[in-house]
Amino acid sequence: GQQLNQSPQSMFIQEGEDVSMNCTSSSIFNTWLWYKQDPGEGPVLLIALYKAGELTSNGRLTAQFGITRKDSFLNISASIPSDVGIYFCAGLGITDKLIFGTGTRLQVFP
Amino acid sequence: DADVTQTPRNRITKTGKRIMLECSQTKGHDRMYWYRQDPGLGLRLIYYSFDVKDINKGEISDGYSVSRQAQAKFSLSLESAIPNQTALYFCATSPASTDTQYFGPGTRLTVL
Repeated sequence: GQQLNQSPQSMFIQEGEDVSMNCTSSSIFNTWLWYKQDPGEGPVLLIALYKAGELTSNGRLTAQFGITRKDSFLNISASIPSDVGIYFCAGLGITDKLIFGTGTRLQVFP
Repeated sequence: DADVTQTPRNRITKTGKRIMLECSQTKGHDRMYWYRQDPGLGLRLIYYSFDVKDINKGEISDGYSVSRQAQAKFSLSLESAIPNQTALYFCATSPASTDTQYFGPGTRLTVL
């Protein structure tokens, strides 16, 4: 089946630093979604990408749908303490079901 | 009010018991999903439903069953709970027009 590799697994950064994380797939996806999960809560949608090469921003967050359709990137600029959480990528391929990455745990230190 | 609600939020039960987790949504979405989350494994799809008369197995459906009672309600049952079903369970919804899914707050289930 389709697999998603998300990296890094975890990040420990200082407030104000920029963050980059990515997801790669062994096969093509038609949609890429990025979610954030706070402790004790469900994932919340951050950015949705529907077209190869698409670059979309949501405040300090920017995500890109890779040209090959096998990868996606999420960048967070000027991190703040409330950015702490687990970030998940998810891709929708030929099976019509979302496949989730294993998450990137972000810690931000003041 | 939350668009996607789950009850209960926490449940502790014993091996062999029957458990039902409920999900309700006010978003008017046709599609509903049940996922399970385990540490280090991300979210895995248990069952999904594209409308009231449609039920489909996901990646890990063994040991679970579902019921789509109405467009707004989708229940997940564990007929005979076992300890390795201890996990966080999430319900999600999406409109048919896009594939963007919206998640409920989750149910933490512990099977002793």
